[in-house]
Amino acid sequence: KQEVTQIPAALSVPEGENLVLNCSFTDSAIYNLQWFRQDPGKGLTSLLLIQSSQREQTSGRLNASLDKSSGRSTLYIAASQPGDSATYLCAVRYTYKGGGADGLTFGKGTHLIIQP
Amino acid sequence: DAGITQSPRHKVTETGTPVTLRCHQTENHRYMYWYRQDPGHGLRLIHYSYGVKDTDKGEVSDGYSVSRSKTEDFLLTLESATSSQTSVYFCAISENTEAFFGQGTRLTVV
Repeated sequence: KQEVTQIPAALSVPEGENLVLNCSFTDSAIYNLQWFRQDPGKGLTSLLLIQSSQREQTSGRLNASLDKSSGRSTLYIAASQPGDSATYLCAVRYTYKGGGADGLTFGKGTHLIIQP
Repeated sequence: DAGITQSPRHKVTETGTPVTLRCHQTENHRYMYWYRQDPGHGLRLIHYSYGVKDTDKGEVSDGYSVSRSKTEDFLLTLESATSSQTSVYFCAISENTEAFFGQGTRLTVV
């Protein structure tokens, strides 16, 4: 069974700092890994998608890396802003039940607060 | 935003009553999923679909059924709602790569 762990569970830092959020998964047989952002009471917004053959993806101040063999991904946030405050979720896409379809397994998230 | 609409957005129902949640997409994506999100458990897969009339169980499927008669619609039914099914339900769609989520349905069973 695939398990995804995110560390830390919560993080509070002053504005302007560079941050690293960590995600680890137990089964390296994944199709891709996706990082999401969730604001309170809202749905999930996709931030970055890394295919299993890729090492990293970048979008603006966000950079995500993937080391499939070691079962790890990091989300790097540069020059953090109060608007970055949210919960960040990591999810891996894998073959559920060995075929037919695939699903996402989620970590429990990192709750991030950026202090003005 | 990807074209995903969940309805209703909020619902309060009584224990023992049937409830149906609807997910509608305009993206013509093959895969559709239902998740529930609960404090301490995160997001867990209930059921998924890989085509019209093709569905399968996820991690927490007990007490739930689904149907997909058209590509664009994926229905989640609670046959007899229980208090343990109070949760926020999310629908997601994908076409082999990136997954997109709806805004969620907050269901309260009293």
